[in-house]
Amino acid sequence: NAGVMQNPRHLVRRRGQEARLRCSPMKGHSHVYWYRQLPEEGLKFMVYLQKENIIDESGMPKERFSAEFPKEGPSILRIQQVVRGDSAAYFCASSPNLSYEQYFGPGTRLTVT
Amino acid sequence: LAKTTQPISMDSYEGQEVNITCSHNNIATNDYITWYQQFPSQGPRFIIQGYKTKVTNEVASLFIPADRKSSTLSLPRVSLSDTAVYYCLVGEKNTPYGGATNKLIFGTGTLLAVQP
Repeated sequence: NAGVMQNPRHLVRRRGQEARLRCSPMKGHSHVYWYRQLPEEGLKFMVYLQKENIIDESGMPKERFSAEFPKEGPSILRIQQVVRGDSAAYFCASSPNLSYEQYFGPGTRLTVT
Repeated sequence: LAKTTQPISMDSYEGQEVNITCSHNNIATNDYITWYQQFPSQGPRFIIQGYKTKVTNEVASLFIPADRKSSTLSLPRVSLSDTAVYYCLVGEKNTPYGGATNKLIFGTGTLLAVQP
């Protein structure tokens, strides 16, 4: 059973461009979480989704950020008009049910130049 | 969610047992205690979870006293590869009808450095 997959692993964007981060959860997992880790800081929760539904987006910035988890395909975290402060590692985690035992992917490291 | 306090860093040597203590004075009745490990440039990895007394798995043991205001993660005979950041998290376990989301609230963690 393959683990959580994220791509790309590294993404470089200029200020003002859009960033799309993809997450394929483990097989059989319908719960997906996105976390962000700024340099030298701990991970911060962003959003929790179940298939086709956003359950909790309390950690998402109000503007420019959006997330989806369609019926088919990976979960997508989208950042519009990126700024330098968006540079961070973005981690996706999945679980088969509501659980604190979440399986994390390797992360996408976004660099905004 | 209860706030947790951990030492910022700890040093150890290969082969020693390491105990990392976490304080959670405001833990609620329904809260569970969960520990994660994170290596540089990787996502966190679940280590262990418990509610009270002692829990043991193939990786670690978790000791929780009766008042549950603290917990201790015990790593037996550490090796260099155990050098990582260890996070203690406290929160209410899933309640399907209570609206809990089981989102993980990470603190700053404890950086464990294992020396040869």
